[in-house]
Amino acid sequence: SQQGEEDPQALSIQEGENATMNCSYKTSINNLQWYRQNSGRGLVHLILIRSNEREKHSGRLRVTLDTSKKSSSLLITASRAADTASYFCATALLQGGSEKLVFGKGTKLTVNP
Amino acid sequence: DTGVSQDPRHKITKRGQNVTFRCDPISEHNRLYWYRQTLGQGPEFLTYFQNEAQLEKSRLLSDRFSAERPKGSFSTLEIQRTEQGDSAMYLCASSRGEGVFGYTFGSGTRLTVV
Repeated sequence: SQQGEEDPQALSIQEGENATMNCSYKTSINNLQWYRQNSGRGLVHLILIRSNEREKHSGRLRVTLDTSKKSSSLLITASRAADTASYFCATALLQGGSEKLVFGKGTKLTVNP
Repeated sequence: DTGVSQDPRHKITKRGQNVTFRCDPISEHNRLYWYRQTLGQGPEFLTYFQNEAQLEKSRLLSDRFSAERPKGSFSTLEIQRTEQGDSAMYLCASSRGEGVFGYTFGSGTRLTVV
């Protein structure tokens, strides 16, 4: 089963604009991670935010986490055509003493040149 | 190349045949994960290993599926008596620890059962 739900399912913007993707989840988490996937390829880890953190930055990426609302957002600033990809949030759940990542269905981002 | 390697990249097989996929994780990563992804969906967890021990298996992993990680190095995922519903991308990932590092994914093996 998939714990995270990304919103929107698809997003189309112009190069230079900002892109915001949201993720909601259901249970308590250890951390939340965002991944990117180009069509037909594996996933690339972008950023990890721990449950006791509220915001994190990495280059043009900004991630927020609101554990009270069980939600996270990924902001990509000054988007480029090369940012076109699917973006997944993944919640790290602690089960049986070990951590497991559970992915959402993703947001498909298209950045038009 | 120090990333996660998966072989083969593509596999087309007839229904009822057995297939085996291989994953070579990053050498210093002790955790190895298998996920399955179908079109338009996020990856679904199948199983994971810490070193050579298989610590968890998803209910998605029927009796036709088996995974091994001998000596805690590479891993294999075998599907016996393949069905058309097994067609998917099979992704392998490895990680060094929990809660600090993300997973490093391979490029996946795309399985098509005809």
